[in-house]
Amino acid sequence: DAGITQSPRHKVTETGTPVTLRCHQTENHRYMYWYRQDPGHGLRLIHYSYGVKDTDKGEVSDGYSVSRSKTEDFLLTLESATSSQTSVYFCAISFQGGDYGYTFGSGTRLTVV
Amino acid sequence: AQSVSQHNHHVILSEAASLELGCNYSYGGTVNLFWYVQYPGQHLQLLLKYFSGDPLVKGIKGFEAEFIKSKFSFNLRKPSVQWSDTAEYFCAVLTTDSWGKFQFGAGTQVVVTP
Repeated sequence: DAGITQSPRHKVTETGTPVTLRCHQTENHRYMYWYRQDPGHGLRLIHYSYGVKDTDKGEVSDGYSVSRSKTEDFLLTLESATSSQTSVYFCAISFQGGDYGYTFGSGTRLTVV
Repeated sequence: AQSVSQHNHHVILSEAASLELGCNYSYGGTVNLFWYVQYPGQHLQLLLKYFSGDPLVKGIKGFEAEFIKSKFSFNLRKPSVQWSDTAEYFCAVLTTDSWGKFQFGAGTQVVVTP
């Protein structure tokens, strides 16, 4: 969707290196989320944000950190990438805490070798 | 802990067949319910949602879902599928105490053959 972009779209990185994924929105939505998608697990929440500098952990937050210094940007950092973090990462935004559903970004396919 | 179960992981059917995908959740309070679809290589898109009122909800592309509170279910249906309905379908639940965080099911991969 035009209002939310993720970068990069694809990345291959080596074990032990830090990686940062970016989510950028132009909708001025308060809520932003990072999910990972793995076969058989659906989508699992990594971290979320309910405002600038307001973030919290999701169910699979170990090994990940986030930052939100501006409304439009939500960064996900893998502090030291591991093979278990090979996944597709989706960013989502919502206007009112998810009541009307999320708008998802196109995803980042990350491979850790 | 809250959970969302989708009964079928893979479904294969022919064009014009009817589709029904099961979704059950475990939460005793008020819920908002959603179905999302993910076409191959794309991001998730909202198919339909239920907040309150009529338990039969109609969404885009001819899909509908029925909320049965007593069964904690929100099953997705389509009377006649097309090849273009090949996709992965996710049920998602939003509870009043989840602070906007969805709980997603594991997904059902649907393949429609010509």
